[in-house]
Amino acid sequence: EAQVTQNPRYLITVTGKKLTVTCSQNMNHEYMSWYRQDPGLGLRQIYYSMNVEVTDKGDVPEGYKVSRKEKRNFPLILESPSPNQTSLYFCASSFWGAGETQYFGPGTRLLVL
Amino acid sequence: LAKTTQPISMDSYEGQEVNITCSHNNIATNDYITWYQQFPSQGPRFIIQGYKTKVTNEVASLFIPADRKSSTLSLPRVSLSDTAVYYCLVGSTDSWGKLQFGAGTQVVVTP
Repeated sequence: EAQVTQNPRYLITVTGKKLTVTCSQNMNHEYMSWYRQDPGLGLRQIYYSMNVEVTDKGDVPEGYKVSRKEKRNFPLILESPSPNQTSLYFCASSFWGAGETQYFGPGTRLLVL
Repeated sequence: LAKTTQPISMDSYEGQEVNITCSHNNIATNDYITWYQQFPSQGPRFIIQGYKTKVTNEVASLFIPADRKSSTLSLPRVSLSDTAVYYCLVGSTDSWGKLQFGAGTQVVVTP
């Protein structure tokens, strides 16, 4: 089944404890992206990747890192999480870019205490 | 990136047709118009995409006038399960990787 998977789905952590949220797609998509969704602020893009080893900032990249070493994986790294990064995170992928149909993962709900 | 404007919310009854209009005055020649549906705590789901005139699939229709400065998503005979937030996005290869979601339209369907 063609899909985007995220792990973990739920995570509670404490301020400053490094964490990684994984994202994987099995559709051989070139493009992958991360979003966060907060009440009243909608979906905001954090980082995106046009291809392996090619990543760039979205609208809210502060406090996040990403890497794209393989086409199928695009992990989101929070090196020192803070409470303002408490949010619902979505990973998405598409064949070639932002203008193409995006396939979203199920989401990861993160609580930083 | 072309900015989009949609109504914040719309209410409807089951069985009615719901039409959501999105304004995108700065749409570029290469831009496509894409609509997504999102249920609470789930990722957005692609509904329909079009460039001009009319596109129809098993879920919805998309009407795009000749000037392409707006588009209308039409959901025929809605049911309670169509209660969701609907997003209109405009993008193309010229957008490279950036994608901006607007506030979306909350559609509430009641019996």
